[in-house]
Amino acid sequence: EDQVTQSPEALRLQEGESSSLNCSYTVSGLRGLFWYRQDPGKGPEFLFTLYSAGEEKEKERLKATLTKKESFLHITAPKPEDSATYLCAVQPRRRDDKIIFGKGTRLHILP
Amino acid sequence: ETGVTQTPRHLVMGMTNKKSLKCEQHLGHNAMYWYKQSAKKPLELMFVYSLEERVENNSVPSRFSPECPNSSHLFLHLHTLQPEDSALYLCASSQDSGVHYRYEQYFGPGTRLTVT
Repeated sequence: EDQVTQSPEALRLQEGESSSLNCSYTVSGLRGLFWYRQDPGKGPEFLFTLYSAGEEKEKERLKATLTKKESFLHITAPKPEDSATYLCAVQPRRRDDKIIFGKGTRLHILP
Repeated sequence: ETGVTQTPRHLVMGMTNKKSLKCEQHLGHNAMYWYKQSAKKPLELMFVYSLEERVENNSVPSRFSPECPNSSHLFLHLHTLQPEDSALYLCASSQDSGVHYRYEQYFGPGTRLTVT
């Protein structure tokens, strides 16, 4: 069964304390892996798409990487405004087009 | 208006009511989606309209009925809902290729639905 697991469920960091969020997946072939950010009461906001192992993408303090079994979202010197839930989603290679989301990691950056 | 808009933002309905959720995308995309987001659960894909073709998740109860009159508008018609249907309903759009390859999705703010 195709599955996406994110860890940790929640993470509290001090401002400036770098860390990584993990998204591990077991799917029958990968078309694409997506990272989103979701603030309370809002819809998810697109961050990155990764298509193949070894690919990396960066945006401000965020960097996403991909291997054949997992993706990491690295946060460097985070600020309080980086506090949000980060969602990982995977599109497997199969006919039903179903994109599978993980449960997310709630990130809280303390000033 | 820009991006993806949804109305209403909040909805309270009884189990015997009929209501509709509306979504409009201003991005020129060719695919639209309905998702359900419940506490402690991952986003659940409910319906997809892509290149004017509807792709349905068979596990969605028939009390949810989607309608996509054109590539910019999407509706979710609700009738005889249950309390467990209370959730945040999110609409999204994307620009897809013709071979089921989904690109990044842009989400609306959601409709917070409460069924009493």
